[in-house]
Amino acid sequence: NAGVTQTPKFQVLKTGQSMTLQCAQDMNHEYMSWYRQDPGMGLRLIHYSVGAGITDQGEVPNGYNVSRSTTEDFPLRLLSAAPSQTSVYFCASSRESGDEQYFGPGTRLTVT
Amino acid sequence: AQKVTQAQTEISVVEKEDVTLDCVYETRDTTYYLFWYKQPPSGELVFLIRRNSFDEQNEISGRYSWNFQKSTSSFNFTITASQVVDSAVYFCALSPDSNYQLIWGAGTKLIIKP
Repeated sequence: NAGVTQTPKFQVLKTGQSMTLQCAQDMNHEYMSWYRQDPGMGLRLIHYSVGAGITDQGEVPNGYNVSRSTTEDFPLRLLSAAPSQTSVYFCASSRESGDEQYFGPGTRLTVT
Repeated sequence: AQKVTQAQTEISVVEKEDVTLDCVYETRDTTYYLFWYKQPPSGELVFLIRRNSFDEQNEISGRYSWNFQKSTSSFNFTITASQVVDSAVYFCALSPDSNYQLIWGAGTKLIIKP
C-alpha cells in the first residue's frame, strides 16, 4: 500500500514550458486535490475532484488543468509555466470530502 | 466568508514548556470539520486530528490536546511538556459541509529550543 505518490520530486522549467505533475493513490479514495504551498503561506487549493470524471476549480486554478479519468490518478498540467508558479505542489486524497486527507511527499517546482 | 486565522506566525519556547497554538475559524455552515496538520522540517504533511462541528468534547492524545469552542469559533492546540521533535509548522484547516474544499490557515512555526 503506497498511499499517495507524486512524481517528480523536483523539477526546473523555463518560462513557457509545459509539464504534468503526476499523482496516484491506491486507497480507492473518491476525493483528490492539488495544493500549492508558498513560503509563509498555508496551502492553497488549485483543483479538486470528487470522483472519476468530475473536477472543479479551487482558490487558485489559473494556469493549471486537471483531469480524472480513473479513481487512482489525478495529474496536474501546467500549460505555460511562469515564474509565479514556482512553489511546492502537494497532491492529497481522502475517502470523501470532509475526511482526513492523505498527502503525497510533494513536488518542488522552480520556473526560471 | 470561510476563513481560518492562525495569528501566531512563530512561537519559540524552551523544551518542557507547555505551548498553545491558536486557531480561529469563520463559516456560516452548521456542519463542518476542523483539522490540525503538522509539517516537520522534512516537509511532509502529517494529520493530527479531525473534529466535526457537533462534537465539542476536548480531545487528549498523549502530550497533545485540543480545545474546541464553538462560542468563540476556536480550535486551539496545546502541547504539554514540549520536546525538540515537536518543532514544526502546524496548520489548522476547515472543511465546510457546503463545499468540497479544505481551507487552510497560514500556519504557526513552532521552535522548541533544547
